[in-house]
Amino acid sequence: GENVEQHPSTLSVQEGDSAVIKCTYSDSASNYFPWYKQELGKGPQLIIDIRSNVGEKKDQRIAVTLNKTAKHFSLHITETQPEDSAVYFCAASIFGGSNYKLTFGKGTLLTVNP
Amino acid sequence: DVKVTQSSRYLVKRTGEKVFLECVQDMDHENMFWYRQDPGLGLRLIYFSYDVKMKEKGDIPEGYSVSREKKERFSLILESASTNQTSMYLCASTQGSYEQYFGPGTRLTVT
Repeated sequence: GENVEQHPSTLSVQEGDSAVIKCTYSDSASNYFPWYKQELGKGPQLIIDIRSNVGEKKDQRIAVTLNKTAKHFSLHITETQPEDSAVYFCAASIFGGSNYKLTFGKGTLLTVNP
Repeated sequence: DVKVTQSSRYLVKRTGEKVFLECVQDMDHENMFWYRQDPGLGLRLIYFSYDVKMKEKGDIPEGYSVSREKKERFSLILESASTNQTSMYLCASTQGSYEQYFGPGTRLTVT
């Protein structure tokens, strides 16, 4: 089955700096890669996703890049703010499959220091 | 707005007890999931259901069972709770897209 590795497990940045979280996946059939943000006391929430026919996707201060050859994708957050502090999870799946199952990475605790 | 609710935010049970965790979604989603979340281990899929009365094992089904009698409700059952089942349990649902909508979680402590 799919295996998703996520690094780093913790990341601390100063407000205004950029943050990068990296993930690798094992199943070359995977073609859908979402990122979820989990704030304290809440369930994870989708913030951005990318499919394998696209190399990069941006949404305001967040962007995701995908390297299919290397089986590697990354989340980039620019101009970080204290409200970006949360746990971030990457995931992988086969879009078009019948059960919408996601395999998650182990998460990154991002702390943005004011 | 999609809403996924879980019956309890915090639960304390004794070893050997039968435990029911309930999840309800209000968007007529076909697919529902149960995960457990542990520090350093991320989100691990226990069971999922893609239709009423249909279920499939996830990555860590041992010690758990599920029930889906109605489309909106998906229950996780710990037949005989053990201390290694102390964890955060998250329910999620999705329909026709890959965005999974999560509930707030139930923190279960087994003593």
